[in-house]
Amino acid sequence: DAKTTQPPSMDCAEGRAANLPCNHSTISGNEYVYWYRQIHSQGPQYIIHGLKNNETNEMASLIITEDRKSSTLILPHATLRDTAVYYCIVRVLMNNDMRFGAGTRLTVKP
Amino acid sequence: GAVVSQHPSRVICKSGTSVKIECRSLDFQATTMFWYRQFPKQSLMLMATSNEGSKATYEQGVEKDKFLINHASLTLSTLTVTSAHPEDSSFYICSARDQGIAGIYEQYFGPGTRLTVT
Repeated sequence: DAKTTQPPSMDCAEGRAANLPCNHSTISGNEYVYWYRQIHSQGPQYIIHGLKNNETNEMASLIITEDRKSSTLILPHATLRDTAVYYCIVRVLMNNDMRFGAGTRLTVKP
Repeated sequence: GAVVSQHPSRVICKSGTSVKIECRSLDFQATTMFWYRQFPKQSLMLMATSNEGSKATYEQGVEKDKFLINHASLTLSTLTVTSAHPEDSSFYICSARDQGIAGIYEQYFGPGTRLTVT
């Protein structure tokens, strides 16, 4: 699976959009981009995933660049409860396991 | 959505004893389950992959005789930490894979088990 690079930490003001970038320049054509988050002392929570089209669900939007070498997770109106570590993972859909990088620690401030 | 549970959520044991952690898929059958370990301020690290009815596959550096994994049914996998030592204190997270639509596999995570070895 392709390697991902994320900034170690980011801050965001409550109520504003949080834009979390992820670089995956070595992504292959059959690899999907997944986003999970982990709130302190809990298991990872699935957020969203996509292949090449932008995706949106009730939690977030995922914007994937046309060349698929990077993506951005957007939390449209961040709340204090969105404070967590966000992980961007690239993997083949049929592949066995999720492997986590260091992630981005997002702190939403009042 | 699919739910994965872990028991216990928190356990304290004495050095030299063994402790068992259970992972259950509550509303789906999981042919494959995964065990992760997470130390403070670090990311999740995959320890092993287990397939129902067969031996687990361990990641490099993980002692299979110390971390015993049993996946005897499609809804239950157990991780036993044998002869636990303080350095085994960690957050252990299991995950289960569900075969959804058109053979697409999704992976769901449990809430984690905090192990403290005194």
